[in-house]
Amino acid sequence: DADVTQTPRNRITKTGKRIMLECSQTKGHDRMYWYRQDPGLGLRLIYYSFDVKDINKGEISDGYSVSRQAQAKFSLSLESAIPNQTALYFCATSDYPSGTNTDTQYFGPGTRLTVL
Amino acid sequence: AQKVTQAQTEISVVEKEDVTLDCVYETRDTTYYLFWYKQPPSGELVFLIRRNSFDEQNEISGRYSWNFQKSTSSFNFTITASQVVDSAVYFCALREVDYKLSFGAGTTVTVRA
Repeated sequence: DADVTQTPRNRITKTGKRIMLECSQTKGHDRMYWYRQDPGLGLRLIYYSFDVKDINKGEISDGYSVSRQAQAKFSLSLESAIPNQTALYFCATSDYPSGTNTDTQYFGPGTRLTVL
Repeated sequence: AQKVTQAQTEISVVEKEDVTLDCVYETRDTTYYLFWYKQPPSGELVFLIRRNSFDEQNEISGRYSWNFQKSTSSFNFTITASQVVDSAVYFCALREVDYKLSFGAGTTVTVRA
């Protein structure tokens, strides 16, 4: 089974609808992230969370919100979807062992969202 | 300002050719980490390598090799004897002390049989 799962994998919705994308991980990592990928722009960070009580905005958080329900679950919501939020969304996790100064992010399979 | 620049948008090669992907980064941190990820046509992102700023040793893993040159702020990636399965988008990324990853725009590699 995959360590990082995302649901749904594909979603088509209409402008103005509320959408929730879910991410679950079995890696036991404390840190979780949401990114969006647009052609020619690479990945851009939307929100990140270093533990259940910690939520931080990334570079493009406007129009999005998140919820960290548990160590293993991190959800991304679009309160009122708009067409320019059409993108590929990735969840990622990372570990930051004490005594080290390094982590590596591992990504889920992605959710392709289309807003009409 | 773009922290990671991958100047090559697309590269097309014939199988068994070598291909080098360029990555130039910008940071003021003395401690930082560089990464390469592969995104095959199926869409997932696969971690390939992490390199810290204090380790300038080149690394080889099978047909993959990485050349880190701090003097030119570059972390280039070479695929030797390319195969069709190497066709993918490759991303270079930089992690600075704030723990966030900054990605380049990606380079699409197409390997033709």
